[in-house]
Amino acid sequence: EAGVTQFPSHSVIEKGQTVTLRCDPISGHDNLYWYRRVMGKEIKFLLHFVKESKQDESGMPNNRFLAERTGGTYSTLKVQPAELEDSGVYFCASSQSVSREYRTDTQYFGPGTRLTVL
Amino acid sequence: AQSVTQLDSQVPVFEEAPVELRCNYSSSVSVYLFWYVQYPNQGLQLLLKYLSGSTLVKGINGFEAEFNKSQTSFHLRKPSVHISDTAEYFCAVSQVPNAGNYQLIWGAGTKLIIKP
Repeated sequence: EAGVTQFPSHSVIEKGQTVTLRCDPISGHDNLYWYRRVMGKEIKFLLHFVKESKQDESGMPNNRFLAERTGGTYSTLKVQPAELEDSGVYFCASSQSVSREYRTDTQYFGPGTRLTVL
Repeated sequence: AQSVTQLDSQVPVFEEAPVELRCNYSSSVSVYLFWYVQYPNQGLQLLLKYLSGSTLVKGINGFEAEFNKSQTSFHLRKPSVHISDTAEYFCAVSQVPNAGNYQLIWGAGTKLIIKP
């Protein structure tokens, strides 16, 4: 079974440009998450999709970030315009379903996209 | 709100020696607890998790962790490390009950450095 994949693995752009990150979850996983790790800091939650709907977008830093998951399959995260502080590693994770017993899920992560804004 | 503290940014240890990576959390509600590992140039992989039941949790690659509610800790241990354990280890929590909020709250990570 293929794991979570992310594209590109690295992206270097200039301040003010637009970048789109893509995440392909594990097939059949309804839940998709985006996280970000800024250099030297902890990983922070950005948002959570259930199928094509945004379940929780409380972690999105500002309106320069736009996430979509059309058709409930892959997701894109667009940063427009990019700022220096957007640099970091963007992780995507997916999970099959939420356990009825424990009301939580096991999230499987992709390798991340390293974004550098110059 | 929850927070997670990993007290050590780096832990150097000799090969075949035991190791403990510390994790403390703060939360006004019950939490689930997780340890993830990131090997060089790879994604985050789940090592183990505590949801309920026995406070001693065993994970992959010989790791285990113990949940201590009174100490609000979830320290990760391995009795004998190998060079292949070189990686960054992350402690994370999620809220219980979570009413649709499944996000993970993360510690800053601990780099385990194995010395030959």
